[in-house]
Amino acid sequence: DTEVTQTPKHLVMGMTNKKSLKCEQHMGHRAMYWYKQKAKKPPELMFVYSYEKLSINESVPSRFSPECPNSSLLNLHLHALQPEDSALYLCASSPPGTEENSPLHFGNGTRLTVT
Amino acid sequence: AQSVTQLGSHVSVSEGALVLLRCNYSSSVPPYLFWYVQYPNQGLQLLLKYTSAATLVKGINGFEAEFKKSETSFHLTKPSAHMSDAAEYFCAVSVSRGSTLGRLYFGRGTQLTVWP
Repeated sequence: DTEVTQTPKHLVMGMTNKKSLKCEQHMGHRAMYWYKQKAKKPPELMFVYSYEKLSINESVPSRFSPECPNSSLLNLHLHALQPEDSALYLCASSPPGTEENSPLHFGNGTRLTVT
Repeated sequence: AQSVTQLGSHVSVSEGALVLLRCNYSSSVPPYLFWYVQYPNQGLQLLLKYTSAATLVKGINGFEAEFKKSETSFHLTKPSAHMSDAAEYFCAVSVSRGSTLGRLYFGRGTQLTVWP
């Protein structure tokens, strides 16, 4: 079982819909991440939050809007997505301190399909 | 710039045979190196990590990897493959960029198939 919980597991949405992906961890980790993974490809970093503040935005389109309400929760708000945004969205967290050598703990992802 | 290269997008072995998955890194500073495994429809799970404490790193499920600076390699091995080892394996490198937060760069992945 993973200690990073993502909901929903599957999501189908139209291009005009607004939806949100949710991620939760209770390991006391202070860095949280969103990754996007296309089929047969490695994960690509989207956003990093450190101590509830956005630290890294990898030039992600504004139709993806991250939110970190508290140290345990991470959301990804979706609006006006395109079919090419269909992918597995992975949330991850890592312990506080020297994040560069702290392994990431991944959730099982949300499989998103945009129709 | 830092990156990892995984040689071979697909590796097939027989059950009980040696598993060798190759990873070479490029980094201008001492790197932190990781191997992750991804089973179908799941997230990534850490197998092992290298953080300069020891060059031979033992991980979960019988896997180990050896850091060789002279070869800039961090190959993953397992003496005897099991059917349950069939999965996608990612090598990754992390380098601090002057802050306490580093980025994780993944290789393209290697799909391991284990034949009975």
